[in-house]
Amino acid sequence: NAGVMQNPRHLVRRRGQEARLRCSPMKGHSHVYWYRQLPEEGLKFMVYLQKENIIDESGMPKERFSAEFPKEGPSILRIQQVVRGDSAAYFCASSPRTSGGAETQYFGPGTRLLVL
Amino acid sequence: QKEVEQDPGPLSVPEGAIVSLNCTYSNSAFQYFMWYRQYSRKGPELLMYTYSSGNKEDGRFTAQVDKSSKYISLFIRDSQPSDSATYLCAMGGGGGSNYKLTFGKGTLLTVNP
Repeated sequence: NAGVMQNPRHLVRRRGQEARLRCSPMKGHSHVYWYRQLPEEGLKFMVYLQKENIIDESGMPKERFSAEFPKEGPSILRIQQVVRGDSAAYFCASSPRTSGGAETQYFGPGTRLLVL
Repeated sequence: QKEVEQDPGPLSVPEGAIVSLNCTYSNSAFQYFMWYRQYSRKGPELLMYTYSSGNKEDGRFTAQVDKSSKYISLFIRDSQPSDSATYLCAMGGGGGSNYKLTFGKGTLLTVNP
């Protein structure tokens, strides 16, 4: 059973370009979460998606960032007009369900974005 | 005050030592608590999770939660060089959402052979 897959693993962009990060959840998982890990910082929640729905985007910057999880295909985190401050590791996690009890999220290997 | 505080270390111990890693938190609404291990340039890997005060043991790892003190710990017995990694505490269930994890910054551990 393949784990959470993310690609690309490394992405270099120049200021002003667009970055597209992809995440394929574990088989059987329909919930996807994106987190960002800035240098010297802990992982910060960005957005929670289910198929074709954004459930909670309270951690997303208001501008330039968007996320989707279409009916078919991977989840996409899109960053438009990247700036140097966007350089970070972006992790995707998936889970099989949301329950009232313990919630386990399985993380992918991350995409390391470097903005020149 | 940050919601989750974790000493970033680094922590260096000899092989076989008992390691103690700790986090404190301020949000009393947190309901469940996790420890993740992250190797360099890899994603976090879930080690332990619990949602009650007390101890939970799994092999060489013991997770301890004290909700009254808002303090959690991870103990590693008979530490091995392969345990060298960054350990992240994470908490969830605060603020009405069960899914939003709040992480500490992580503690970098090195186990020397």
